[in-house]
Amino acid sequence: EPEVTQTPSHQVTQMGQEVILRCVPISNHLYFYWYRQILGQKVEFLVSFYNNEISEKSEIFDDQFSVERPDGSNFTLKIRSTKLEDSAMYFCASSPTREDDEQYFGPGTRLTVT
Amino acid sequence: KNQVEQSPQSLIILEGKNCTLQCNYTVSPFSNLRWYKQDTGRGPVSLTIMTFSENTKSNGRYTATLDADTKQSSLHITASQLSDSASYICGVYGNKLVFGAGTILRVKS
Repeated sequence: EPEVTQTPSHQVTQMGQEVILRCVPISNHLYFYWYRQILGQKVEFLVSFYNNEISEKSEIFDDQFSVERPDGSNFTLKIRSTKLEDSAMYFCASSPTREDDEQYFGPGTRLTVT
Repeated sequence: KNQVEQSPQSLIILEGKNCTLQCNYTVSPFSNLRWYKQDTGRGPVSLTIMTFSENTKSNGRYTATLDADTKQSSLHITASQLSDSASYICGVYGNKLVFGAGTILRVKS
């Protein structure tokens, strides 16, 4: 069964460094998403992406964040200058044909900022 | 403000017993409501997705209900198993997916 994959599974970085989290959505899906979950808290929407542009973003997704689909398979989340409060699990998700379709989540990347 | 509230916060039940988890929401506009199971350190896995016109939906031992008038949903788990121990998250889609904080379920033998 097709699934969303994410790399790395765990990323440790120093405050102020740039990180790129990578995702391979399910093939033929059209909508892509990033979420984050701070330890012990709820899953929070960051951004949705369709047709090579951002379709919706939350107030969390400020100028420090960017997303890109550099080729036909990868979907990336970049954090330009990490802060301690960026430490969280980051989940990528994709959905097939409509934005309110079922979303399929990846296993997540645990980002630790020291 | 778009919010999703879940109760109880946590629950412990004996293997084989049934349980019901609650979700109240104020998300508007409303497109659909989903229940997810999330194991520790893993991504959410979909259990059910319900639109405005659906009152009940089942997926094996999981049965979700939706009352769109009162903006309430429940997830009923029948004949619980040890592997049901997880966080159960309610998510409501309006123009983006808004999640509740989840109910942590522990099934013990």
